[in-house]
Amino acid sequence: AQSVTQLDSQVPVFEEAPVELRCNYSSSVSVYLFWYVQYPNQGLQLLLKYLSGSTLVKGINGFEAEFNKSQTSFHLRKPSVHISDTAEYFCAVSSFMGRRALTFGSGTRLQVQP
Amino acid sequence: EPEVTQTPSHQVTQMGQEVILRCVPISNHLYFYWYRQILGQKVEFLVSFYNNEISEKSEIFDDQFSVERPDGSNFTLKIRSTKLEDSAMYFCASSAQGVVGGVGETQYFGPGTRLLVL
Repeated sequence: AQSVTQLDSQVPVFEEAPVELRCNYSSSVSVYLFWYVQYPNQGLQLLLKYLSGSTLVKGINGFEAEFNKSQTSFHLRKPSVHISDTAEYFCAVSSFMGRRALTFGSGTRLQVQP
Repeated sequence: EPEVTQTPSHQVTQMGQEVILRCVPISNHLYFYWYRQILGQKVEFLVSFYNNEISEKSEIFDDQFSVERPDGSNFTLKIRSTKLEDSAMYFCASSAQGVVGGVGETQYFGPGTRLLVL
């Protein structure tokens, strides 16, 4: 079984400040890792993913994440946030073993203030 | 850019009634999924569908649920007799291929259908 923990339910931050949204996972097998964003009244949009290769992954809208296997983490970062980044962010995993279902974390609400 | 669409955006139903939630996946995609999110809780996997059959399902997906691809474009989720606890946002997703780790692995989500059971 696998699980995802997003420790911060809400992260308030001022515009142009850096932000890090934390994600830790547990799994008995190797995993693929994803970050999705959900803007108000919209579906889930893929921000970035880690499948293999470089552990630093760059995504859309200036976001990046680093896969750390020893710490079982996949934290999302952005050096300078905008008001438009206000949204719910979900970390998700799927396993190598053919099971395609995504297991999601509980989400982190990023609130960017002017 | 191609996208997954879902109808209706909102549905209100009485307990015990049947509902059908509809999804149009991205046209060249082969794998289809349903997830749900009860208010304030995690997004949870329900079922995946490939080649006209269920490939995987969760413990949530009991006999009250069924999925179907009635034609070449729609993918539906039916709840036979709704319960209060079925109230949730239901998301449809699709992916281009089922090869785990392949570039087609990414699941693309629709905007969701908010179901309210009274």
